Amino acid sequence: GENVEQHPSTLSVQEGDSAVIKCTYSDSASNYFPWYKQELGKRPQLIIDIRSNVGEKKDQRIAVTLNKTAKHFSLHITETQPEDSAVYFCAASRSYNTDKLIFGTGTRLQVFP
Amino acid sequence: DGGITQSPKYLFRKEGQNVTLSCEQNLNHDAMYWYRQDPGQGLRLIYYSQIVNDFQKGDIAEGYSVSREKKESFPLTVTSAQKNPTAFYLCASRRDSYSSSNYGYTFGSGTRLTVV
Repeated sequence: GENVEQHPSTLSVQEGDSAVIKCTYSDSASNYFPWYKQELGKRPQLIIDIRSNVGEKKDQRIAVTLNKTAKHFSLHITETQPEDSAVYFCAASRSYNTDKLIFGTGTRLQVFP
Repeated sequence: DGGITQSPKYLFRKEGQNVTLSCEQNLNHDAMYWYRQDPGQGLRLIYYSQIVNDFQKGDIAEGYSVSREKKESFPLTVTSAQKNPTAFYLCASRRDSYSSSNYGYTFGSGTRLTVV
């Protein structure tokens, strides 16, 4: 079935360093890839997404890259800050507006001051 | 509460008891979803509904049931057949059209269910 693998499961960085989280997906028909941030005890919030007709998308300190041939996509956070500490989930679906999301298992990011 | 409300926030269930988790949205979204979140396992899809009076099983539907009688409401029942129901349950709804500013699920604040 459809599957999304996410690595690493935990990531610790020093404030100001960059963080990279990687995901691979199994369904070659997937073409929508969002990333969610979940702070402790709160609901997941969408932080950035990308569609398959785009290879890279950037929003201030965060960026997502997509390699459809290899079926993997990555989240890049630059100049990390303590408030970036959270669990991050990647997800994939066949359509941005008509299909369910399959989530990765999450990455717990800790940014140390 | 972000347009999608889950209740209760905490729920305790005795062995052999059915319990129902509420999910209501006022966003006029067509699609609604239920996910279960366990430590280290991410979000797993239980059931989803793309239109009123219709719903589909997700990856872990056994022991759960849902209904979608109204567009705004998608309650989840955890039945006694669900052997390990202790988890954090998240409801979500989805916008129908893509905008350049934001797209994706809107999540509720979750219900933490514990078997006692």
